[in-house]
Amino acid sequence: GNSVTQMEGPVTLSEEAFLTINCTYTATGYPSLFWYVQYPGEGLQLLLKATKADDKGSNKGFEATYRKETTSFHLEKGSVQVSDSAVYFCALSDQSPGNQFYFGTGTSLTVIP
Amino acid sequence: DGGITQSPKYLFRKEGQNVTLSCEQNLNHDAMYWYRQDPGQGLRLIYYSQIVNDFQKGDIAEGYSVSREKKESFPLTVTSAQKNPTAFYLCASSPVAGESYEQYFGPGTRLTVT
Repeated sequence: GNSVTQMEGPVTLSEEAFLTINCTYTATGYPSLFWYVQYPGEGLQLLLKATKADDKGSNKGFEATYRKETTSFHLEKGSVQVSDSAVYFCALSDQSPGNQFYFGTGTSLTVIP
Repeated sequence: DGGITQSPKYLFRKEGQNVTLSCEQNLNHDAMYWYRQDPGQGLRLIYYSQIVNDFQKGDIAEGYSVSREKKESFPLTVTSAQKNPTAFYLCASSPVAGESYEQYFGPGTRLTVT
């Protein structure tokens, strides 16, 4: 079956530190991979995505590369800001009829000045 | 602006009452979804619908019901049979066919049952 395993949080970093949030997946077929971000009390917003192996998704300084050989999609940012404090979710879609998604449990990030 | 609206943002109900959460989208998406989020946990799928007048149970459908009479609307009813209804509920939509398969989320409804 399909599943996503995410690095447990919470993660606390100082401003301008390097961020890595690990994500690995199990899937049948060729899934698309996503990172979503959720700010307190809000819905999820798409941060970036990759639809095939070796693709790199990037947005707002965040990057993640679809690694089929290690079944991973780790999120990275070179220099975090206080405004990056949020919960980050890794997800996969196996593009089956209905486009069902499978989400990780989320990683809470707090950036302190 | 295209998007998904959920109303109300906060909802309070007494135990034993049914309550309906609204979800509307103007993105012309075929598929719509309902998720439940509990503190410190990921999203769990309640129901989803690929087309009008059709829907499927997700992982935690017990105690919930949905309808899909219009493409734009996918209301969720939390019935009195749901044992722990207090949670944050998120609605999402997605184009089923096409280049982009991402899901777009609404702002959520926080339901508190006492």
